Amino acid sequence: GQQVMQIPQYQHVQEGEDFTTYCNSSTTLSNIQWYKQRPGGHPVFLIQLVKSGEVKKQKRLTFQFGEAKKNSSLHITATQTTDVGTYFCAGALGSGYSTLTFGKGTMLLVSP
Amino acid sequence: GAVVSQHPSWVICKSGTSVKIECRSLDFQATTMFWYRQFPKQSLMLMATSNEGSKATYEQGVEKDKFLINHASLTLSTLTVTSAHPEDSSFYICSAPRGGGGLTEAFFGQGTRLTVV
Repeated sequence: GQQVMQIPQYQHVQEGEDFTTYCNSSTTLSNIQWYKQRPGGHPVFLIQLVKSGEVKKQKRLTFQFGEAKKNSSLHITATQTTDVGTYFCAGALGSGYSTLTFGKGTMLLVSP
Repeated sequence: GAVVSQHPSWVICKSGTSVKIECRSLDFQATTMFWYRQFPKQSLMLMATSNEGSKATYEQGVEKDKFLINHASLTLSTLTVTSAHPEDSSFYICSAPRGGGGLTEAFFGQGTRLTVV
């Protein structure tokens, strides 16, 4: 079945440093979504990427979707303590949400 | 924005008893809802897909007789953990997708932390 691999599993940075998490799918995706889960909370949708090579930005967060639509990355510039949490990618094979497969997530810890 | 409400947020029960968890979409209709289980520091594992008015679809390895799912209306799905055992202790979370304009976004409930003693 479809697999979505996400690395690293864990990263600890100093506030102000950059952070990147990578997501790779064993199959071509129709779209990829990113979610953030704060400690003790539930996942919250961040963004969806649909087009090959697409790049989207949300303030300090930059999301990329690979040309082959099999990989994606989330990059945070100049991390802040509020960025702490686990970031999940979720790949969709078909349209809609019904075939979403989550990566294992990357836990980010930011020290002040 | 769309909100999915999950109740209870935490529950402690004795081994052998059953626990019901509710998931409600508050301002949109959800013909499909998803139930996940999340162990500490691990990812979301899809347990089953809840379909309004029909039987749920369970993922491989998930016992349908143990994890009863009912999706009786377009805004409510319930998960009942029957004859709970300590190994069922986990964080259970539901989600409901809402689409529109080419975007389908998953809205998650707050989660239910189940502890079986």
